[in-house]
Amino acid sequence: ILNVEQSPQSLHVQEGDSTNFTCSFPSSNFYALHWYRWETAKSPEALFVMTLNGDEKKKGRISATLNTKEGYSYLYIKGSQPEDSATYLCAFSSGNMLTFGGGTRLMVKP
Amino acid sequence: KAGVTQTPRYLIKTRGQQVTLSCSPISGHRSVSWYQQTPGQGLQFLFEYFSETQRNKGNFPGRFSGRQFSNSRSEMNVSTLELGDSALYLCASSSPTGGLGYTFGSGTRLTVV
Repeated sequence: ILNVEQSPQSLHVQEGDSTNFTCSFPSSNFYALHWYRWETAKSPEALFVMTLNGDEKKKGRISATLNTKEGYSYLYIKGSQPEDSATYLCAFSSGNMLTFGGGTRLMVKP
Repeated sequence: KAGVTQTPRYLIKTRGQQVTLSCSPISGHRSVSWYQQTPGQGLQFLFEYFSETQRNKGNFPGRFSGRQFSNSRSEMNVSTLELGDSALYLCASSSPTGGLGYTFGSGTRLTVV
């Protein structure tokens, strides 16, 4: 059974703060690491798919890094805005299925 | 471009009944996966279909089954419903040539009473 863990489980920050979350995953049989953003009552939205050790991806104020050798990925949000409030999920892919972490619920206060 | 469509959005069933959920993938996507989300367990993989064949199955009892049609639309069926089957069921589609990304539907919220 694959174990994908995310920390923290939840986070409250003030508007303008920068923040980061961690995803740890098995370092063997690695294929890809996905990050999703999931707002209440909406579909999970793909942020990044990362495959190579040392990968860094950026989308606006959100960026992510990947270390496949030690089995972790960081997601960073610079200058958090209230609209960033959502659950951020990471998922480990070893082929045709995703194993999700429990998510980090981010709440940004105006 | 239409997204992944799941029907129905909400469903209430009685314990012991069976239910069928439907998922229409993005046009051209041939892989469809199903996930269950419960408050205590997070998102868990049910099964994945590609070209009408089940390629992967998660750790769920045989009451959970699925199929995929030639147009890539997929259905999942849960027989003999239990209270614990109450959950949000999400499907996701992906393209064999479109990288590794998955596009999710909005889900079907199943309540078993």
